[in-house]
Amino acid sequence: DTEVTQTPKHLVMGMTNKKSLKCEQHMGHRAMYWYKQKAKKPPELMFVYSYEKLSINESVPSRFSPECPNSSLLNLHLHALQPEDSALYLCASSLIAESTDTQYFGPGTRLTVL
Amino acid sequence: GNSVTQMEGPVTLSEEAFLTINCTYTATGYPSLFWYVQYPGEGLQLLLKATKADDKGSNKGFEATYRKETTSFHLEKGSVQVSDSAVYFCALSGSIIQGAQKLVFGQGTRLTINP
Repeated sequence: DTEVTQTPKHLVMGMTNKKSLKCEQHMGHRAMYWYKQKAKKPPELMFVYSYEKLSINESVPSRFSPECPNSSLLNLHLHALQPEDSALYLCASSLIAESTDTQYFGPGTRLTVL
Repeated sequence: GNSVTQMEGPVTLSEEAFLTINCTYTATGYPSLFWYVQYPGEGLQLLLKATKADDKGSNKGFEATYRKETTSFHLEKGSVQVSDSAVYFCALSGSIIQGAQKLVFGQGTRLTINP
């Protein structure tokens, strides 16, 4: 089983709202990733978690706050977003972060900020 | 730094045509290479991969061979179907930076297959 699940599938929020995206995997992977994908572009890396610790933050604005409560779960907390943050947010996982292992992606959350 | 260059799309073919999507890369060391496919409204799915030179990845009739001498990983399929219409991303995983690997993606190639 190589499944990564993400909820919700769609999210519409105002600029003053607080919302969270959730990602889950049960493959025993110890590395988890958040990506942002704009239309007709490849995914852009936002954050990497390795063994539940933040390993990489690609200079993402603080209105995006990641959290990894355990090895299976990854959250992305959203607050005071801008319309330009509207995009597809993808979660991925791999066996460990320190190798060239395959990253498996979830179906994404399509976020619209009004 | 590492980079991936894909042929620009969009690519439009008729059903049962032969498909090639070119992908070349620049990398230090020995990267792993991947093709991901993204169907409309969905996330990325791993299509195939190769981890060392001369490896051939294959899945669902698609093939790609890791060519170190030409730094290429071209995607091919002998007879495409309408259901193959999607965006295809070539990617490499090479350098470990800050204790983690980063996937480097090409720009993506949109493929449309007409019946």
